[in-house]
Parts: sequence; C-alpha cells; structure tokens
Amino acid sequence: DSGVTQTPKHLITATGQRVTLRCSPRSGDLSVYWYQQSLDQGLQFLIQYYNGEERAKGNILERFSAQQFPDLHSELNLSSLELGDSALYFCASKGTNTGELFFGEGSRLTVL
Amino acid sequence: GNSVTQMEGPVTLSEEAFLTINCTYTATGYPSLFWYVQYPGEGLQLLLKATKADDKGSNKGFEATYRKETTSFHLEKGSVQVSDSAVYFCALPGYSSASKIIFGSGTRLSIRP
Repeated sequence: DSGVTQTPKHLITATGQRVTLRCSPRSGDLSVYWYQQSLDQGLQFLIQYYNGEERAKGNILERFSAQQFPDLHSELNLSSLELGDSALYFCASKGTNTGELFFGEGSRLTVL
Repeated sequence: GNSVTQMEGPVTLSEEAFLTINCTYTATGYPSLFWYVQYPGEGLQLLLKATKADDKGSNKGFEATYRKETTSFHLEKGSVQVSDSAVYFCALPGYSSASKIIFGSGTRLSIRP
C-alpha cells in the first residue's frame, strides 16, 4: 500500500460526458502528480500541483483540468470525453525527503 | 529537454535467466535516475535509484549503474523469477521543471517457469 488513494477504481461512461477523478496523497506529501497510461503502456505526464499551486504542466488537453484543494487532495476533471481518452489515470505524491514518487492504484476510464 | 529511451519489449525469459533492460538518457547536468516497476493491476513503485554518476542502485536482486560516459542506466538481474514479471520504467527528472518526472515507454517482462 503506497498510501495514495484514488477513486473511483473503474469508470465507464459515454462520449461527450464529463468525469472527475479524485486523489488523496500520502500523509505529509504536498505534491500531487497526474499521469495518463494508454493501452500501449506509455506513461504521459499531465500536470503537477504543489501545496495547492500548479507547478508543472505536460501534454494535458484543454478538455482536461485539475486542481489541488487546501486539504491537499486533488481532482482531475475530464470533459467532452472521446474514445481515445480511455486509459488508466494515475495519481502520485512525492516524498519530501526522498524525492520518490508514490503511485496510487489508478482509475481505469472506459469511454464507450 | 531531458529525455529517456528504453529497450522495447516485450521481453520473455525463462526462470533463472540473466536479465538486461537497456535505458539511455539525455540530460543537462547529472540528474538522479530511477527504475520503477509496475506489477499487474497495480500502480508504479520505485525499484531503485542512483543520485550521481557511478552510483549503483540495487533492490530485490536488481542493479543499475549510473554511467555518464555512455549516458546509460541499464537494469540487470542475475537470475529472474516468475514473480519478476511486470512492466519496468526508466525515469529521470525534467530539465525545465525538475519536479516533473519523465518516464520511458516501459518494457514488459514475462518470465516462464
């Protein structure tokens, strides 16, 4: 158990819909990272937050947005969903002292 | 910017075989280098890391040496087990934003009993 909690674990929805993925980082970690893992297993960095502020941005689509709340949990919002958005979405938090990323078990999104 | 290239898979080996998964990097300076492992149905977890040139990271029988001359960080294990079947990712921090961690494309490893 990494200490990072992601919900929901599985989500099936239709094209054009909007979903919200939630992440709670490890206790004490201030950074939250979001990654998308496609079927060909590649891991794409989406966005990072540190203590509520956006710190780094990757190839995140305009249809996607994220935020980190005062209690440090984070939400990734995906809208106008397309078939190609079907993927595993991982959240990770970064250990303050080690710099190691701790990953949640992921949210598997299926868009039909 | 910083980038990492790793050996494409899938790789299939018999139990007790020797494993090498190649990883080369392009980086400004000498950032830390990481290997992460993803077991079936799970998230990624750190396998080992090296923080400076010539460092050797090791864990669970796996080793990788940070070689600046060849800009490589190859993962090795002398005798693999069925339980090592997983996807392995080489990674390093980004340059413009050191907080961003960049992952290689992943190498799927399957071990036959």
